[in-house]
Amino acid sequence: SQQGEEDPQALSIQEGENATMNCSYKTSINNLQWYRQNSGRGLVHLILIRSNEREKHSGRLRVTLDTSKKSSSLLITASRAADTASYFCATDVKSGTYKYIFGTGTRLKVLA
Amino acid sequence: DTGVSQNPRHKITKRGQNVTFRCDPISEHNRLYWYRQTLGQGPEFLTYFQNEAQLEKSRLLSDRFSAERPKGSFSTLEIQRTEQGDSAMYLCASSRGQADYGYTFGSGTRLTVV
Repeated sequence: SQQGEEDPQALSIQEGENATMNCSYKTSINNLQWYRQNSGRGLVHLILIRSNEREKHSGRLRVTLDTSKKSSSLLITASRAADTASYFCATDVKSGTYKYIFGTGTRLKVLA
Repeated sequence: DTGVSQNPRHKITKRGQNVTFRCDPISEHNRLYWYRQTLGQGPEFLTYFQNEAQLEKSRLLSDRFSAERPKGSFSTLEIQRTEQGDSAMYLCASSRGQADYGYTFGSGTRLTVV
């Protein structure tokens, strides 16, 4: 079963624009992570945000977390063609296992 | 740190055959995870190990699936009597098992059952 759902399922933007994708989840969490997956490859960890954090930055990435709404957003600023990939949020299910359940993903296409 | 290695990268097998995949995690990572991903979907959790102990198995992991991690090093995932529905990408990931660290994924093994 999928814990999280990303929205939109697909997003197409021009190079230089910002891309925002959202993740909603069902149960309380300790941490939420975002991953990127290029076509046919493994996933790459982008950023982790804890449940007591509201916002986190890493380079051109900005992640927000609203635990009251059980939602998170990933913003990629000044997008590049190389950002074209699928993006997944992942939430831990219970403390101590560090087992993460992944969402359904947002497929981002950045047009040059 | 040479990353997580998975072999083979691709496997085509006939229905009913057995297949085995191998995952070599990052050496200092004590946790190892197996996920399955079908086209257009997110990875689905299958099982995970802390050192050599298999701590949890998903109900997705039928009796035809078995995973091992002898001596807490590499891991193998075996599928017996493969079915066409087993066709998927099988992903292995490892982590330090600390809350602040994410997973490091391998490139996956793509299984096609014909």
